[in-house]
This record gives sequence, C-alpha cells and structure tokens, in this order.
Amino acid sequence: AQSVTQLGSHVSVSEGALVLLRCNYSSSVPPYLFWYVQYPNQGLQLLLKYTTGATLVKGINGFEAEFKKSETSFHLTKPSAHMSDAAEYFCAVRSSGNEKLTFGTGTRLTIIP
Amino acid sequence: DAGVTQSPTHLIKTRGQHVTLRCSPISGHKSVSWYQQVLGQGPQFIFQYYEKEERGRGNFPDRFSARQFPNYSSELNVNALLLGDSALYLCASSLDGTGMGEFFGPGTRLTVL
Repeated sequence: AQSVTQLGSHVSVSEGALVLLRCNYSSSVPPYLFWYVQYPNQGLQLLLKYTTGATLVKGINGFEAEFKKSETSFHLTKPSAHMSDAAEYFCAVRSSGNEKLTFGTGTRLTIIP
Repeated sequence: DAGVTQSPTHLIKTRGQHVTLRCSPISGHKSVSWYQQVLGQGPQFIFQYYEKEERGRGNFPDRFSARQFPNYSSELNVNALLLGDSALYLCASSLDGTGMGEFFGPGTRLTVL
C-alpha cells in the first residue's frame, strides 16, 4: 500500500521568504514521487518528480525537492516566494509497478505581501 | 502541441441521471487515467486505460465505468448520480502509463443537484 501525508493544510509565507511544504510518504517498494500545483479552477501542473538517480530534484518556477529515503520525505522548497506562487500544492506517490498516483490532501500556500 | 483536453468544462445534473465525460490525451500518449477531486481534497484514482485495455481501477462503485477508443481518447461514465459525485473530474495522459509522470487536463466540474 502507498500513502502520502502532507503536514499543514495551510501555509503562509511573506513575499521573498523561504517556502517549505512538507510531504511524507509510505510505500512498500521504491517510490516515484511528484509535486503538482493547482491554481484556482484549473487542473494539476507537474512541478517536479523523482524517479531514480539524484535525490535533489529541480523543477519549474524555482522549486526543488529532496528525496530522503531514511526519513521517507520529499519536502518542496523555494528560496524566495513570489505572489504568483499562491496556489494549492499536492504531493503524490506511485509505487513501481502500480498504475495509480496516490495524492496527499494538499497544502494551500498563501503569500503575504 | 495541445495539452490534455476535457469536455464539457462544467456540467449540472440531478440525482439519478447519467453523465458522460470526455478526454483527449496529448498526441502520442497511449495511457489515460481518470481522477475524482472532491472539494478540499486531493484527487482520487478512478481508472487507468492503456492501449484500450483497463490497467487499473480504484475504489469506486460499479456506477463508474470508462473506456478508451482506438484514437486513445477516453470516456468516463457515471450512472445513477448521487450528490456525493459532485466533484472535479480530472483526466491525465502519459506515454505508456509506467509512472514517469502524468499530464493533467483542466478537468470537468460536475455538480449534482
């Protein structure tokens, strides 16, 4: 079985401050890990993904995430928040050989001017 | 290239009715997956189709069915609609459905009254 826990349903940061969104996963086999962003009334856009290889993954819009197997974590970070980063962020996991993505419940990011 | 397209954008139905949602994957993509996103939650996996065959099914009742056509487009059908079926229905496509990341469409917003 696979599952995802996103700590903090709402996160607020000031413009220019560090963004840290937390994600922990559970998977019985090596996982593929993803972060998606969803803007209001839109679908999901892939920010970045980890499949194999380098554990620090860089994505679009200045976001990056680090796969830490020992901590079963895949936290999303961005050094300096922009107003345009305000959105809902979803962490997802897919186990090798499994056809489905399992999503967390999401974290709503608010940027304070 | 066009992304994943879904139709209709919005739909209002009454309890007990039937609905058909449509999805066209990115050109060259052979796998289509369907997800249900209830307001305030993460998407939940419904089906995956690859090369017109069902590859995976989530924990949804038999009222939900889907199919994939020779051009790789897909339909999701829901019978005997319930109020709880109100959600954003997302379609995602990928090259081969092996887990390297899916591209999502904008979704169909279904409201059941």
